[in-house]
Amino acid sequence: AQRVTQPEKLLSVFKGAPVELKCNYSYSGSPELFWYVQYSRQRLQLLLRHISRESIKGFTADLNKGETSFHLKKPFAQEEDSAMYYCALSGNAGNMLTFGGGTRLMVKP
Amino acid sequence: GAVVSQHPSRVICKSGTSVKIECRSLDFQATTMFWYRQFPKQSLMLMATSNEGSKATYEQGVEKDKFLINHASLTLSTLTVTSAHPEDSSFYICSAQGRLGTEAFFGQGTRLTVV
Repeated sequence: AQRVTQPEKLLSVFKGAPVELKCNYSYSGSPELFWYVQYSRQRLQLLLRHISRESIKGFTADLNKGETSFHLKKPFAQEEDSAMYYCALSGNAGNMLTFGGGTRLMVKP
Repeated sequence: GAVVSQHPSRVICKSGTSVKIECRSLDFQATTMFWYRQFPKQSLMLMATSNEGSKATYEQGVEKDKFLINHASLTLSTLTVTSAHPEDSSFYICSAQGRLGTEAFFGQGTRLTVV
């Protein structure tokens, strides 16, 4: 069975502060990990995927197989980063996604 | 990115009636469509996976006779909630994917309220 855990439902930081959204997963095979973001009144959209190893909007995430984690990081948070963030995992079965519970990030001015 | 349109965005229906939700991929052919459900303050839960022209695969615990999924074309999938009850009230989201391994794009979701 595949499972994704995001331990923090809410994360509040000040503008310019570093931010880390935690994500842990369990999966017996080789998963593909994603971060999705949902800005206020907008649809869910892909932020980044681990196989791309790219930085999107200043965010990065490294897959740590030893710790089964895929934490999302940004060194300097901006107010426009305020949104709902979902970590998701895709195994081998047809690319279906298993989502974590989501973390609401609030960046205060 | 590609656009997935979900309609309606909100619907209120009476208990016992059926409601149909449409999910369309506007600028690409969706080989696979996924239907998710989100309860308040909870995560998105996959309900079923549908491939064009074949029967949907339902996740454990999802009643296939209650949540009818049709994926008759490469650009349209529908979810029909039959004989809706208040406990079916939820946020339903579809996502559409082209070729296997490509990015899945999400609809804007449908808020269903059964009164």
